[in-house]
Amino acid sequence: NAGVTQTPKFQVLKTGQSMTLQCAQDMNHNSMYWYRQDPGMGLRLIYYSASEGTTDKGEVPNGYNVSRLNKREFSLRLESAAPSQTSVYFCASSTQGPIYGYTFGSGTRLTVV
Amino acid sequence: QQQVKQSPQSLIVQKGGISIINCAYENTAFDYFPWYQQFPGKGPALLIAIRPDVSEKKEGRFTISFNKSAKQFSLHIMDSQPGDSATYFCAASRNSGNTPLVFGKGTRLSVIA
Repeated sequence: NAGVTQTPKFQVLKTGQSMTLQCAQDMNHNSMYWYRQDPGMGLRLIYYSASEGTTDKGEVPNGYNVSRLNKREFSLRLESAAPSQTSVYFCASSTQGPIYGYTFGSGTRLTVV
Repeated sequence: QQQVKQSPQSLIVQKGGISIINCAYENTAFDYFPWYQQFPGKGPALLIAIRPDVSEKKEGRFTISFNKSAKQFSLHIMDSQPGDSATYFCAASRNSGNTPLVFGKGTRLSVIA
């Protein structure tokens, strides 16, 4: 099925551990985004990639790094996980900017203990 | 600084009633205003969107009303159904370039029979 695929769906980390959240889209979209969703906080942008080869910080980039591996894949890395990074992470993609609509993945639920 | 303010945080509506969710923005450069719908365990999905050259847009039971002078826009769901129970996010961005969406904090809608 066409869309945005996120792996893993669930993850529990210990404080200080590192991990990479994977995201891949098969719609030939140019732009990709990482958001986190926390209760009462809505969706906050972590990083985005307007096109292959570019990445930019969003509202809450601290503690994260990203890699736009190719046009299809955009990964999010936590180098040293903290309890404050417990959240649901969503990857999204769009043809070229928000006016074409975002397609979201189903999310990764991350718990840092 | 919250760029898009959404209210209420939660809403309970009787089946057949009208659900109304409001959003306000500060940045006058915003010129694209979508609404996203999210069911539990899923990523958000584009529901309906409006640009400031019109004051209203209707798609089925869903209507966006836009007030440019007040910098406000709202989502109206007519004849609300239990299947409409979900979290709704308003968002905003600039049409030009590839500026990512800024989301409101979300409204959890429950439609009861």
